[in-house]
Amino acid sequence: SQTIHQWPATLVQPVGSPLSLECTVEGTSNPNLYWYRQAAGRGLQLLFYSVGIGQISSEVPQNLSASRPQDRQFILSSKKLLLSDSGFYLCAWSPPGLSGEQFFGPGTRLTVL
Amino acid sequence: QKEVEQNSGPLSVPEGAIASLNCTYSDRGSQSFFWYRQYSGKSPELIMSIYSNGDKEDGRFTAQLNKASQYVSLLIRDSQPSDSATYLCALKGYQGSGYALNFGKGTSLLVTP
Repeated sequence: SQTIHQWPATLVQPVGSPLSLECTVEGTSNPNLYWYRQAAGRGLQLLFYSVGIGQISSEVPQNLSASRPQDRQFILSSKKLLLSDSGFYLCAWSPPGLSGEQFFGPGTRLTVL
Repeated sequence: QKEVEQNSGPLSVPEGAIASLNCTYSDRGSQSFFWYRQYSGKSPELIMSIYSNGDKEDGRFTAQLNKASQYVSLLIRDSQPSDSATYLCALKGYQGSGYALNFGKGTSLLVTP
């Protein structure tokens, strides 16, 4: 069966510090991978998605970036965090193809102070 | 902007009753629809997917889709306190260079003993 991991689970960072969140998927090959952010009182916002190694699509211009160095690894980064980057960051995967079903990891709760 | 609208709630139902959650959407081209359950502080969990007009039943859950009216709903029979959560409606749409899910902001459900 497929499993998705995210770490860390919680993170408190000062404004202006860098960020690196990691997501890995087990039990599947060539998954589609996604990064979402869920801010308090707001819905799920798609940040990035990837259909393959090195292929990243950005949905929201901001100070975040994403990379996919391996088939089942997806990384979210920032060089300098803003207060507005606080939120619940969720990684998700879907099978290759167009079924659309997405499965979420446990998430990382980020607080920027 | 492709909208997915849900009543934020909270929707309060007594234990054992039927909970009815509704979602409307603006993208007439959408073909795939999903319901996710999200407990407080946790990540969303896929509970139902529906692709064709009509009803789809899975245990206590029934998803209903009406593409002509651009309406999808989720019925929960014999509601239990453990069903208390936020329910997110999502539909697959084309974004950027690929397909992604558009999420509503969710309806909060409270099942009272």
